[in-house]
Amino acid sequence: QVQLVESGGGVVQPGTSLKLSCAASGLSFSLYGMHWVRQAPGKGLEWVSVIWPDGNTKYYGDFVKGRFTVSRDNFKDTLYLQMNSLRAEDTAVYYCVRSFGTPSRYDSWGQGTLVIVSS
Amino acid sequence: DTQMTQSPSSLSASVGDSVTITCRASQSVSGYLNWYQQKPGRAPKLLIYTAINLQSGVPSRFSGSESGTDFTLTISSLQPEDFATYYCQQSYNLPFTFGQGTRLEIK
Repeated sequence: QVQLVESGGGVVQPGTSLKLSCAASGLSFSLYGMHWVRQAPGKGLEWVSVIWPDGNTKYYGDFVKGRFTVSRDNFKDTLYLQMNSLRAEDTAVYYCVRSFGTPSRYDSWGQGTLVIVSS
Repeated sequence: DTQMTQSPSSLSASVGDSVTITCRASQSVSGYLNWYQQKPGRAPKLLIYTAINLQSGVPSRFSGSESGTDFTLTISSLQPEDFATYYCQQSYNLPFTFGQGTRLEIK
């Protein structure tokens, strides 16, 4: 049973930083690409970032604009999202998601962690 | 980026009805189209992958089809637990864009 558990969300002021974590279990973590997807309150799903299994290839949504960094520790089975220069529009629930198969689909999701950016 | 346009944005139906949700891609996604169901306060759940394949454990009343850049999700014989929001997503090229969602409500 795959389990993804996010943590690190909270209320922060604009311009500050936050680091999200996603602890994975029940899977061979190092074999899978991992994604972050977010959802602003009352809004739809928005893709944020992906990191390849080996951690060497990463992509981001255009709105990130160099502010976020995705990383992973395959020894600790943990995914991270470092978010800097946070803006009010980054307020959302952030989901950690496993990419399974080719073509990719999101078959396992975490419960999400809420980030609120507010002064 | 590939834009995904879902319709309708909301839909009212009764238990036992059959409903269809449509998703159109702005360019070819070669059938790399997934459907998710989301209930309030919960993470999305994968229903259909690669346009037509039913995810394990998902009831057979859910089905998907494809015609070029147009995709449909059909739910036959709606059950009370099916009232939720549905999203399509293309996984052909990054960013893996989602449709804006279709909220299915009880009539």
